[in-house]
Amino acid sequence: NAGVTQTPKFQVLKTGQSMTLQCAQDMNHEYMSWYRQDPGMGLRLIHYSVGAGITDQGEVPNGYNVSRSTTEDFPLRLLSAAPSQTSVYFCASSYRGGRGEKLFFGSGTQLSVL
Amino acid sequence: KNQVEQSPQSLIILEGKNCTLQCNYTVSPFSNLRWYKQDTGRGPVSLTIMTFSENTKSNGRYTATLDADTKQSSLHITASQLSDSASYICVVSKSPGTYKYIFGTGTRLKVLA
Repeated sequence: NAGVTQTPKFQVLKTGQSMTLQCAQDMNHEYMSWYRQDPGMGLRLIHYSVGAGITDQGEVPNGYNVSRSTTEDFPLRLLSAAPSQTSVYFCASSYRGGRGEKLFFGSGTQLSVL
Repeated sequence: KNQVEQSPQSLIILEGKNCTLQCNYTVSPFSNLRWYKQDTGRGPVSLTIMTFSENTKSNGRYTATLDADTKQSSLHITASQLSDSASYICVVSKSPGTYKYIFGTGTRLKVLA
């Protein structure tokens, strides 16, 4: 019972490099999302998706791209990494709709941009 | 301004003791309030979810309360264990079915033997 799987666990990039953070869930959840967690701040929503082919921006979308070609996968792409993108990134998923849907989080990706 | 404020920022207690964490919010409209536990190096894990019509919800030794009138919630941990050492995050959902959640900055709890 894997739940939400994120890879890699750790990543170091140089400024200007691009990379993709992977997220996969095996619970057939329609909703998937990406958050970043910075010291002294609550988790902030980057992008989210309510189903395959549907994505939307969150609170801090600049510098990130997403796509949702399947229900299971929701990769996050950093187009040109900047030091301000140094953070811990979490992918989360839930069933669509309703008042009490529970969010399931992955174990996170710690990204450092030098 | 952060719409979800948690206190204290950090807390140290002895194993076996009880503690209460606070969450005040100004989010409006309000649909539900959640408490998550986040172990170091891991993702948050759901403890409780309460709608505006519920005033208490328990999950083992964890009991959450909600006062929608004063916009306050608390998480009470009974008979603390070393494994309770973690950050506890209060999260508010703005409206039914929304996927926009407002996260607090968390309370870091350390339980000592």
